[in-house]
Amino acid sequence: GQSLEQPSEVTAVEGAIVQINCTYQTSGFYGLSWYQQHDGGAPTFLSYNALDGLEETGRFSSFLSRSDSYGYLLLQELQMKDSASYFCAVKKSGGYNKLIFGAGTRLAVHP
Amino acid sequence: GAVVSQHPSRVICKSGTSVKIECRSLDFQATTMFWYRQFPKQSLMLMATSNEGSKATYEQGVEKDKFLINHASLTLSTLTVTSAHPEDSSFYICSAKDQAYEQYFGPGTRLTVT
Repeated sequence: GQSLEQPSEVTAVEGAIVQINCTYQTSGFYGLSWYQQHDGGAPTFLSYNALDGLEETGRFSSFLSRSDSYGYLLLQELQMKDSASYFCAVKKSGGYNKLIFGAGTRLAVHP
Repeated sequence: GAVVSQHPSRVICKSGTSVKIECRSLDFQATTMFWYRQFPKQSLMLMATSNEGSKATYEQGVEKDKFLINHASLTLSTLTVTSAHPEDSSFYICSAKDQAYEQYFGPGTRLTVT
């Protein structure tokens, strides 16, 4: 089988830094993606790691350790608009590169 | 950037009727499209993988006769929910994969079955 675990909720204040962890168990692992979804909206792509290490994209960074089956999304200089759900998703190997999503982490940013 | 559209964005139908949802890649060709459903405050659950010109591949537990998928062209896939029931009410999201193997998501379709 396959499973992904991430915290259900995180709360932080504006300007702070938040780390959302994701552990996974799956066969055919190709890479780990992160998506943001506001209520009622579609998921938007944030970051992707295929290799171990840190990927930085503006205020967002993502890390992967394949040996530990672990990754995290780091959000810096939090803004109110960052309040949303964040999903880690395993990209599967194989012809279709399916995405299997975690349950999501709801981030609430307060003033 | 790559854009994926879905139509309709919202639909309300009566129990027992069928509803068709369209997913289009607007500026790229997508040999593969994916269909997900999402219940409120829950994750996206992959329903099926749609390939142009061939039968869709359904995930375990998804009824292929209830959720009919057609991928007739490189830019269009449709999902038909047949004989819809209230429990089929959900947010249905498609994604399309381009030649660089990135997935781009549509805006979603909210289905309400009364």
